[in-house]
Amino acid sequence: SYVLTQPPSVSVAPGQTARITCGGHNIGIKNLHWYQQKPGQAPVLVVHDERARPSGIPERFSGSSSGNTATLTISRAEAGDEAAYYCQVWDSSSDHPVIFGGGTKLTVL
Amino acid sequence: QVTLRESGPALVKPTQTLTLTCTFSGFSLSTSGMCVTWIRQPPGKALEWLARIDWDDDKFYSTSLKTRLTISKDTSKNQVVLTMTNMDPVDTATYYCARFFFRGGHLDHWGQGTLVTVSS
Repeated sequence: SYVLTQPPSVSVAPGQTARITCGGHNIGIKNLHWYQQKPGQAPVLVVHDERARPSGIPERFSGSSSGNTATLTISRAEAGDEAAYYCQVWDSSSDHPVIFGGGTKLTVL
Repeated sequence: QVTLRESGPALVKPTQTLTLTCTFSGFSLSTSGMCVTWIRQPPGKALEWLARIDWDDDKFYSTSLKTRLTISKDTSKNQVVLTMTNMDPVDTATYYCARFFFRGGHLDHWGQGTLVTVSS
């Protein structure tokens, strides 16, 4: 089955740019989505279809993808961005599973 | 405005069957392209997809859990029900329901989640 690989943790200084990666075979040709989850809260969709932002998500959040790696970029990081971030794809074959990466804890130092 | 809310027992005993209900508003599961999924998250761990039901009553299950899961819908009540048999302490988790956006394959609205603890 398809596997998404994320680094367990990423740190960034306030005001700097954080990049969270998500690796998977030919991920660049899949619809890739990103979620933010703060402690004790449900996940929130922050980027869908690789680079589209839902209404209400700041432009500081952007997505990109190429080859086997997708990246969520958070510009001008703020303390409020500290959270776990999950990437996700949908495998439209067989059982149609929704596949999540293992999550990356972003710390804003 | 789309909302989803999970309900069910906070505590179940090992070997029991868990029944969770997702009550939603702001969309209809009889509308083409609408789907609801269940996801769980053990404490401190990653998200895990469990099941999905579509507007046309198609149903899909996690390969590793499909023998224990049943998903169903009551369109008139705007509810989706998930049952999981033979509960074990490793099934302790927060269970979420979410709307699945069929065209893109993403989960655009989530419930707040409900914590289920499996313990004797």
